[in-house]
Amino acid sequence: AQSVTQLGSHVSVSEGALVLLRCNYSSSVPPYLFWYVQYPNQGLQLLLKYTSAATLVKGINGFEAEFKKSETSFHLTKPSAHMSDAAEYFCAVSDSGQAGTALIFGKGTTLSVSS
Amino acid sequence: EAGVAQSPRYKIIEKRQSVAFWCNPISGHATLYWYQQILGQGPKLLIQFQNNGVVDDSQLPKDRFSAERLKGVDSTLKIQPAKLEDSAVYLCASSSNTGQQETQYFGPGTRLLVL
Repeated sequence: AQSVTQLGSHVSVSEGALVLLRCNYSSSVPPYLFWYVQYPNQGLQLLLKYTSAATLVKGINGFEAEFKKSETSFHLTKPSAHMSDAAEYFCAVSDSGQAGTALIFGKGTTLSVSS
Repeated sequence: EAGVAQSPRYKIIEKRQSVAFWCNPISGHATLYWYQQILGQGPKLLIQFQNNGVVDDSQLPKDRFSAERLKGVDSTLKIQPAKLEDSAVYLCASSSNTGQQETQYFGPGTRLLVL
């Protein structure tokens, strides 16, 4: 069965600092991987997705993620944090083991940005 | 382009009562998902529709939860009777096609509190 593990339920950075949110996946087949962001009282918004076209994926708001098969990782980074980046971030893998195409989500990482 | 619409946004009920949630997906999107997001966790699939047919409902607690998408457009999710552990955010998502690489677009969710 596929699964996703997000290391660190809470990450705190200063404004302007590097953001690194960690995600490891477990999959017996080449995965499709996603990062979503959730602001308070809102739904999830897609940041970026990996669909095997390129290992380095660029997303919205300056975020990017690198797919590393040898490490089974898909960590999310941003060179310089903004206050507006404070939110909850979810890594997800598309489930190939079920009948449908549901996403399997990690437990999420809350990003705090201080001035 | 209008996003995924959900109503109500908030609902408070007593245990053993019934409740219904409504979702209108993005126009033209054939695939519709309902996810349950318990506080502190990532969303978990309840049911997936392709047009008006069920693709995957393996994780839907069918003794109390039901869902329908009669005309292949909007959908309703019902809980009857509700339990305390049903307190969660219920997210609706839609995508244009069924494919593991397809982006799922999420609505703002309905926050349910069962007392």
